[in-house]
Order: sequence, then structure tokens, then C-alpha cells
Amino acid sequence: EVHLVESGGGLAQPGGSLRLSCAASGFSFNTYEMNWVRQAPGKGLEWVSYISLGGSTVYYADSVKGRFTISRDNAKNSLFLQMDSLRAEDTAIYYCATLWEQQLDYWGQGTLVTVSS
Amino acid sequence: QSVLTQPPSASGTPGQRVSISCSGRTSNIGSNTINWYQQLPGTAPKLLIYKNNQRPSGVPDRFSGSKSGTSASLAISGLQSEDEADYYCAAWDDSLNGYLFGTGTKVTV
Repeated sequence: EVHLVESGGGLAQPGGSLRLSCAASGFSFNTYEMNWVRQAPGKGLEWVSYISLGGSTVYYADSVKGRFTISRDNAKNSLFLQMDSLRAEDTAIYYCATLWEQQLDYWGQGTLVTVSS
Repeated sequence: QSVLTQPPSASGTPGQRVSISCSGRTSNIGSNTINWYQQLPGTAPKLLIYKNNQRPSGVPDRFSGSKSGTSASLAISGLQSEDEADYYCAAWDDSLNGYLFGTGTKVTV
């Protein structure tokens, strides 16, 4: 059974940093492209970032470009999101999700990031 | 346009049919497959329809999808109370090199 578990969320101050992790199990992690998607409180879904199978290709939403860095460790079946220069508008639940032929097949339960002083 | 446009809400009585539209452009819906996600209250989104009109295993055939040009739609027939949720369309956008979500539609039964 596919299992994605996010961790690393919490309270951060504006301008601060957080590193999110996503632990994958139940499937061949290195055969799936991966994404981060977020959802601000009471708002819709927003795609954040994409990473290719080997990690050589990454894409970011304009709202996080230059501040967030996506990476993966296929040996450890893990996905990461380094978030720097955090802003209040980054407050959201962050989900990791597998991408297969343009659909986000499997999602984690999400981790809440709150940016506030 | 950096989002796909959906109506904010839709409603129906049990057994009725509800349809949700999704409007985009050539670089997203016009060039790539459309997917639909269902988000029940307090839960993570779940893939509902993929590749325009395909249902993952376990999704009832009451849910159907279609696409024409730069628009798509999701239909729910035989509406049930457990269908109360938020529904999002989504597609890859070749111009943005990113995944675009629709604005979301809240379905009330």
C-alpha cells in the first residue's frame, strides 16, 4: 500500500526557515516524479514544486521561486522541501504527492506550516 | 491566467445530477490531460478522475469527466450525501512549467 508521511511542519517566524520531509513507502519511490502542493487555511489547492525521478529537473511556482528548494533522496525514499525567507502567506498545509503521467496519484496527510511572529 | 476557472459552488438534491465546469487555455487544458480531485472536509485531496475521463479503482461510476478544447467538466449523477466535498480540476501548464489547479467548487447535497 502506498504511504506518504509528511513531517517538519510547525511555527516559524517571518524570514525564518523550515525543512519539510516526506517519507515514502509501499512503492518504488525512484520511479515516481514528486510534487509539493499546499493549501492555505480556508483556501484552494496551490501547486508548489516538482522534482524529476533523479532530481535533475525541478520547477517552482512563482510565489516560492528563489526561496524554496525541493530535493529527494532515492536511497532513503524521501522527499524534502527547504523553505527559507518564510512569509505569512506561506502559512498552509503542505502535502507531498506522487506524479504519474500528469496526475497526482497519491497524497500524504499533510503537515501544517504556520508563519507568524 | 495562472489558475483554472471553476464555479465556486454547485448543489443538488439526492439522486440529482450535478455538473462542474473548468475553463483553461491552450497551454494547459488544451495541451494536456485534465484531472479531478475530491477533497472531503478535513482530509487530503484524492484523485477522482484522471486523463480526462478515467476513474481510478474504487471510484464509483457516478463520477464522469469530459474535455473539449480548453474546457472540461465533471459530472456527478445520482448525487449522494457523501459527495459533499470540494472538487478541483487540474492540469499541467506547458508555459508555466507547473501544475495548475482550478479555483475549486464546493458541492452541497
